[in-house]
Amino acid sequence: GAVVSQHPSRVICKSGTSVKIECRSLDFQATTMFWYRQFPKKSLMLMATSNEGSKATYEQGVEKDKFLINHASLTLSTLTVTSAHPEDSSFYICSASFGDGSYEQYFGPGTRLTVT
Amino acid sequence: AQTVTQSQPEMSVQEAETVTLSCTYDTSESDYYLFWYKQPPSRQMILVIRQEAYKQQNATENRFSVNFQKAAKSFSLKISDSQLGDAAMYFCAYRGTSGTYKYIFGTGTRLKVLA
Repeated sequence: GAVVSQHPSRVICKSGTSVKIECRSLDFQATTMFWYRQFPKKSLMLMATSNEGSKATYEQGVEKDKFLINHASLTLSTLTVTSAHPEDSSFYICSASFGDGSYEQYFGPGTRLTVT
Repeated sequence: AQTVTQSQPEMSVQEAETVTLSCTYDTSESDYYLFWYKQPPSRQMILVIRQEAYKQQNATENRFSVNFQKAAKSFSLKISDSQLGDAAMYFCAYRGTSGTYKYIFGTGTRLKVLA
């Protein structure tokens, strides 16, 4: 149980275009979802926390207008990178938790974004 | 603010031997959770072991065990009978019991297992 999927697993886009990454909890309802960014050989950097039906809470230094997060249902959150640039190339990971004080996060397999 | 420190960027261990990965943290909370995650080359984060701070007994999962020293704010991971499949990045993570429940990750330790 507690499986999280991400789509796509890899995406290549041209500079200036937007790209959407989906994160789905397959067998549970995720009250809270988290979006991370990971640079090569580095740790996970939390970008934002999203709760179903409300606006995402962004970490300091993360541009909310560039990284749009929508958590429209209890099983789906999306991250849209708008007007992507090569420096946005990275590995993006989502995770989900049951909420209600449940302490464990379940991680998706990640999405590798390359902006050319 | 809470912080998590992993002071060993890289460790090596011979197959079948035992290795200990270090993690220290700083917090003013009395109740919290600690985790060790494994990230193999596939990049999928895999939970290795978890520890609730209110439990004095150290968590154990098969070949993996922790040494949780609450007063010292230390949470080390011991891997016994190391296997080639244990080679990965290992991240220590802290989660408080209030606020957004977000994880705070350490910088990671890359474990190499030598045949």
